[in-house]
Amino acid sequence: RKEVEQDPGPFNVPEGATVAFNCTYSNSASQSFFWYRQDCRKEPKLLMSVYSSGNEDGRFTAQLNRASQYISLLIRDSKLSDSATYLCVVRRGAGGSQGNLIFGKGTKLSVKP
Amino acid sequence: DARVTQTPRHKVTEMGQEVTMRCQPILGHNTVFWYRQTMMQGLELLAYFRNRAPLDDSGMPKDRFSAEMPDATLATLKIQPSEPRDSAVYFCASGQNYEQYFGPGTRLTVT
Repeated sequence: RKEVEQDPGPFNVPEGATVAFNCTYSNSASQSFFWYRQDCRKEPKLLMSVYSSGNEDGRFTAQLNRASQYISLLIRDSKLSDSATYLCVVRRGAGGSQGNLIFGKGTKLSVKP
Repeated sequence: DARVTQTPRHKVTEMGQEVTMRCQPILGHNTVFWYRQTMMQGLELLAYFRNRAPLDDSGMPKDRFSAEMPDATLATLKIQPSEPRDSAVYFCASGQNYEQYFGPGTRLTVT
């Protein structure tokens, strides 16, 4: 089983739609969680961190469920420019490795006019 | 606007040849990472350094890959000899605390 799993999609949605992605992780010692965004043929970029209490950044809402070991990303009022691959990322807690991030393979989103 | 830079951006080579990829991390970042991305495997961590010391290279095939940081402004990833299965995009990233900033990647094709 992969340490971080995501539905690869693609999710094809019309502009203005609300879309949600889920991600599950297997290591219960994981301490930090993130969503990265990767445009086609570009590098990944941090979209937002995911906090235990849930957090919102404009049209984007991230939530963490530690008991069930899943993370979600909700995008409201989707724009054409939201089309990208969204990578779920988990930082391992054990070993004191502050930078050791584990990336999911990503969920592809395509927003259509 | 500080960025991670990588060279070359594209590399096509024949199997058996040596390939060297270079990365200039963001000034002041103390952690540098090398990743490989393929459609099949996604993003895989190959190696990373903190304060120029190698901390983890368990993701790297040791027989042909090597990673070094000769100084704080340069990280290198070398493949010798290269094989077709090494074809991928190789990303360097640098970080401070939890966020990692990725370079534009080197797209390697080994024929």
